[in-house]
Amino acid sequence: AQKITQTQPGMFVQEKEAVTLDCTYDTSDPSYGLFWYKQPSSGEMIFLIYQGSYDQQNATEGRYSLNFQKARKSANLVISASQLGDSAMYFCAMREGRIGRALTFGSGTRLQVQP
Amino acid sequence: GAGVSQSPSNKVTEKGKDVELRCDPISGHTALYWYRQSLGQGLEFLIYFQGNSAPDKSGLPSDRFSAERTGGSVSTLTIQRTQQEDSAVYLCASSLVGSTEAFFGQGTRLTVV
Repeated sequence: AQKITQTQPGMFVQEKEAVTLDCTYDTSDPSYGLFWYKQPSSGEMIFLIYQGSYDQQNATEGRYSLNFQKARKSANLVISASQLGDSAMYFCAMREGRIGRALTFGSGTRLQVQP
Repeated sequence: GAGVSQSPSNKVTEKGKDVELRCDPISGHTALYWYRQSLGQGLEFLIYFQGNSAPDKSGLPSDRFSAERTGGSVSTLTIQRTQQEDSAVYLCASSLVGSTEAFFGQGTRLTVV
């Protein structure tokens, strides 16, 4: 079974609008972390935001927020006030367990911001 | 350097040849990861090193792939007898143990012809 599922291969959004990128996960470990990375066409992986499984509040980082719904096992990324520079691939990832382990990545969503 | 450094940035090799890809993690980072990204795909986990612990090799696709990490710092990923399906971008990342963030290098684009 897929550990991380991103069901939207591509998304379009108008500049200045908000957009939600979906991510669902599957784990039986009570301790885990959820990550979002951005990969522009240059290929680098840029860390955006992190949510721990025990965190009570949804994570926020500037224009990025993570809509964490633990019971539904979803960790959607919300980008507010989209900018042209937000056009990129976005990957959701999970790390299971307390001690550092490898991240498992989803297949990604390509976001295109239109002027 | 300030970030994760990978070399070479691009490598073209003939089918059947061996290649070595290098990763220089951020100083002090004890965790090091190798991933593979095929064109338009997500990241496929290959191997994970943590301090002096035995590496997690569960993602290596075949016995042609191996990796080592010397002195807890620099890591080398070796692919023997390369095949065309090995063509991909190989990404290395490092982090502090328990950190919420893994820092990625720019990757090595491997093309097997």
